[in-house]
Amino acid sequence: EDKVVQSPLSLVVHEGDTVTLNCSYEVTNFRSLLWYKQEKKAPTFLFMLTSSGIEKKSGRLSSILDKKELSSILNITATQTGDSAIYLCAVREGGSEKLVFGKGTKLTVNP
Amino acid sequence: DTAVSQTPKYLVTQMGNDKSIKCEQNLGHDTMYWYKQDSKKFLKIMFSYNNKELIINETVPNRFSPKSPDKAHLNLHINSLELGDSAVYFCASSQEYRAAEAFFGQGTRLTVV
Repeated sequence: EDKVVQSPLSLVVHEGDTVTLNCSYEVTNFRSLLWYKQEKKAPTFLFMLTSSGIEKKSGRLSSILDKKELSSILNITATQTGDSAIYLCAVREGGSEKLVFGKGTKLTVNP
Repeated sequence: DTAVSQTPKYLVTQMGNDKSIKCEQNLGHDTMYWYKQDSKKFLKIMFSYNNKELIINETVPNRFSPKSPDKAHLNLHINSLELGDSAVYFCASSQEYRAAEAFFGQGTRLTVV
């Protein structure tokens, strides 16, 4: 069964729109949640959220962790065509210390 | 300088062949990983090494064998390649086993024909 579920799977918006990407998880021993952006090649790191750091912001991107709801959102305001990518959510679980990835949200920003 | 580098970037080979993918990181990290990304872009961990010691070994066929000669290198050898092995293989590293983000290499696109 999927431990990390992202929604929507794909999203098409126009430049300037604001988008919210969702990630919910189900792990027995949560350590951290990470967001990555994947364009053509390697995933690049965006944010890491932990129990002691549940909100992060960098420019037009921000992310919040809701430990009660076992979920996180990634917000992108004033989207640009360069934001088009697959956004991956991953959860590190204690014990195994694995990074378990969701299937990603494919974001397309049209001019 | 590339932090996590993989070679080759592309690999096309016939079924039944044996091939290797090499990975090196110059970040001084203790932990390295191999991930497989399938055609649906789903990233799944295969192996993890911490200081040359195997930590995670997911349900991966025995045909896949990782080798870590030192903590800066983690190579992946695949025997008797099958069509289903076609995917993009990513190497990654992180500062320590329990912490922080993983930095990914550029990936190796393996195509088995």
